Amino acid sequence: DAGITQSPRHKVTETGTPVTLRCHQTENHRYMYWYRQDPGHGLRLIHYSYGVKDTDKGEVSDGYSVSRSKTEDFLLTLESATSSQTSVYFCAISESDREKLFFGSGTQLSVL
Amino acid sequence: KNQVEQSPQSLIILEGKNCTLQCNYTVSPFSNLRWYKQDTGRGPVSLTIMTFSENTKSNGRYTATLDADTKQSSLHITASQLSDSASYICVVSFKAAGNKLTFGGGTRVLVKP
Repeated sequence: DAGITQSPRHKVTETGTPVTLRCHQTENHRYMYWYRQDPGHGLRLIHYSYGVKDTDKGEVSDGYSVSRSKTEDFLLTLESATSSQTSVYFCAISESDREKLFFGSGTQLSVL
Repeated sequence: KNQVEQSPQSLIILEGKNCTLQCNYTVSPFSNLRWYKQDTGRGPVSLTIMTFSENTKSNGRYTATLDADTKQSSLHITASQLSDSASYICVVSFKAAGNKLTFGGGTRVLVKP
């Protein structure tokens, strides 16, 4: 998957607990993204980063925060997980916002 | 609101046959239109990416076409193989939205022997 590693691959957690998902890339791409994928919806952008410490919100950012302290790592944090955040989360990278995306294998998150 | 609609939602085809998937979008101008293939349990993989000035792009047995006047794109799969069983996602990058991507809901293709 183009040098992208997501961890963990699966996680089950309880409502109200904090959760952090990690995306690590070895491609040195400038842009990194977090998407969620749910039945009945196309992939939806949560947050993205266009450089170290440069991040912006996507269309479904409420309840999520991100950090990028190094080029290769992009963290997604659910401050207080809710059942509506049960989803498959994909990290993606690209060289620019006009280039194709390379996706990770996804993280299946279940919030009970 | 920017929208990307795909049809059909799903289809079943016999191995060796051809099929065509449709994508309609409601807003232009756009930066580019992309098709991705997503196998079950995996992340999407890029098949083609077309700019406004391109009306066709091929990647092996996959051929994407674009009609900017009617705001339609299609993905044609030639001589389908079992490995073509997957979801195919149309994605449009809208200039007015800062090149943000809008994803269609996908078409699920099942190729049967």
